[in-house]
Amino acid sequence: DIQMTQSPSSLSAFVGDRVTITCRASHSIITYLHWYQQKPGKAPKLLISAASSLYNGVPSRFSGSGSGTEFTLTISSLQPEDFATYFCQQTYSTPFTFGPGTKVESK
Amino acid sequence: QVQLQESGPGLVRPSQTLSLSCTVSGGALNSGDYYWSWIRQSPGKGLEWIAYVYYSGTSYYNPSLKSRLSMSVDTSTNQFSLRLSSVTAADTAVYYCARADGSSYFRFDSWGQGSLVTVSS
Repeated sequence: DIQMTQSPSSLSAFVGDRVTITCRASHSIITYLHWYQQKPGKAPKLLISAASSLYNGVPSRFSGSGSGTEFTLTISSLQPEDFATYFCQQTYSTPFTFGPGTKVESK
Repeated sequence: QVQLQESGPGLVRPSQTLSLSCTVSGGALNSGDYYWSWIRQSPGKGLEWIAYVYYSGTSYYNPSLKSRLSMSVDTSTNQFSLRLSSVTAADTAVYYCARADGSSYFRFDSWGQGSLVTVSS
């Protein structure tokens, strides 16, 4: 199985801050990497697909980059509605696997 | 816009079989290159992908659960289902059904709201 790690596991930030989350894969996954946002009690929502493609309706302050084994999710200017947990996922090979998540909290 | 909704019992006894269904609305289950999936989330293990099924019935199971898993699809009712046998407390989780787009890197673009299943006597 491909193992996914994320750093940091949590972070505190102010509204307006630039936030960067890193995801690493144990083997190359090319760009079969997706980012999801999850709020308490809700299902994950797709933000970024194929490492860098912004999904329909997702604000442009979200961006993704990377390929191979290292990827980043960036929120250019954190908004109040962005406080949530963010997960990366690889779909390069089955079983599909998720990172453990990064919780973004208000400072 | 497609919507997914899980249904099934919220409480299952240990050693019994967990059964969940997912109803797809707003689109036919057999249209497009979609793989209908189950994912679960528990505090101890995070998000875990369980399995997917194609409308033809072709399925792929997570090897960690394969010996206890069965998935099926019913295009006449636009539903797909999950059966997990011999459950233990470790199977307690929120179970999500979701759609994976096979034409777009298998991204999971639509999710159900989730169904909490507790395994307890």
